[in-house]
Amino acid sequence: GAGVSQSPSNKVTEKGKDVELRCDPISGHTALYWYRQSLGQGLEFLIYFQGNSAPDKSGLPSDRFSAERTGGSVSTLTIQRTQQEDSAVYLCASSFESGGLNEQFFGPGTRLTVL
Amino acid sequence: ILNVEQSPQSLHVQEGDSTNFTCSFPSSNFYALHWYRWETAKSPEALFVMTLNGDEKKKGRISATLNTKEGYSYLYIKGSQPEDSATYLCAFNSWGKLIFGQGTELSVKP
Repeated sequence: GAGVSQSPSNKVTEKGKDVELRCDPISGHTALYWYRQSLGQGLEFLIYFQGNSAPDKSGLPSDRFSAERTGGSVSTLTIQRTQQEDSAVYLCASSFESGGLNEQFFGPGTRLTVL
Repeated sequence: ILNVEQSPQSLHVQEGDSTNFTCSFPSSNFYALHWYRWETAKSPEALFVMTLNGDEKKKGRISATLNTKEGYSYLYIKGSQPEDSATYLCAFNSWGKLIFGQGTELSVKP
């Protein structure tokens, strides 16, 4: 079956512009997670959704970051007024349910470069 | 703040060598530890989910052990092959969200 897909795979933008990153989870997976890896850093949790609700958004680095999920499926991560420090690989993962030992399946990521 | 540390940061071995790396994590409120393998330009691939102290898991030439009391896990690769070259990530499961270490980058030379 289809895995987690993300688009675009690469995005180059100018400082100050807004960007939207998209994640399509595995069909039937109710939980969806966003992580990012900045240069030289480990994967960092941003936010997760159970259905359309976001019980934990503690990892969002600033109020320029927001995310939504509609229909319990597709999610978009929006970064407003991008800064150079936002440059990173943004990874999305989904799992059958949140919490527990549900394995998280990752997408290939979106590489964001802010000039 | 939960801290997950991996060592070494990078490792270069010859084909056929066996190798191992370490993940250390908080020993309190342990729930699960995950190991992932991440090849360049691909998605991270789940290797193991470990939950019980003393747990040992194996997948082909790769195996892992877990010590929850002292807060560490070892990943072993027996007879490394060039296709094993990747970054190996461990992640502490904190109420469902994963707290990752910085990874160990393994390079296997033919």
